[in-house]
Amino acid sequence: SAVISQKPSRDICQRGTSLTIQCQVDSQVTMMFWYRQQPGQSLTLIATANQGSEATYESGFVIDKFPISRPNLTFSTLTVSNMSPEDSSIYLCSARDREGNSPLHFGNGTRLTVT
Amino acid sequence: GQSLEQPSEVTAVEGAIVQINCTYQTSGFYGLSWYQQHDGGAPTFLSYNALDGLEETGRFSSFLSRSDSYGYLLLQELQMKDSASYFCAVRGFKTIFGAGTRLFVKA
Repeated sequence: SAVISQKPSRDICQRGTSLTIQCQVDSQVTMMFWYRQQPGQSLTLIATANQGSEATYESGFVIDKFPISRPNLTFSTLTVSNMSPEDSSIYLCSARDREGNSPLHFGNGTRLTVT
Repeated sequence: GQSLEQPSEVTAVEGAIVQINCTYQTSGFYGLSWYQQHDGGAPTFLSYNALDGLEETGRFSSFLSRSDSYGYLLLQELQMKDSASYFCAVRGFKTIFGAGTRLFVKA
């Protein structure tokens, strides 16, 4: 199964700044996704990171706020732009290594605090 | 739209059996997954049901009834380390998670 490395693991940022989160998978994967999770809450899908094309965003999330890159089959970045305290959350990268019944694998997440 | 419902919290004692139910409404259903998440950790995959019936993996089993849009996770011989949050998730083109059930296992 795919092993996902995510960094940074945590950060404290000032409002108005931007943070880029990196996600590296140890093998080529078909699908990569970015989720957000408030402590004690469920996982909310932000977007699907598409290799070589623009990400597919879920309702309530836009590219200007959360630009995503996926230059190849093993790497993706999520940027949280112009941050405000409401962006404080855990951001999780996930991947599925093949089609069919393969499960989602998750990175350990990035705990972001915006002051 | 898509929605999943599961209990917010369950408490049980060591050695007991607990069942966590999940009902869902969705368009484009491939299957139902279950994930475990300990505090501060990443979600980890437990099981997946694409067809009706019971799937068993060690102490954990998962059941699906597609006609009832219902599934459950069964945890047997509970251990303290099973205290965690458990999420059901609908698998379509993308995976959507329920709100999670926090399981407390007491000695």
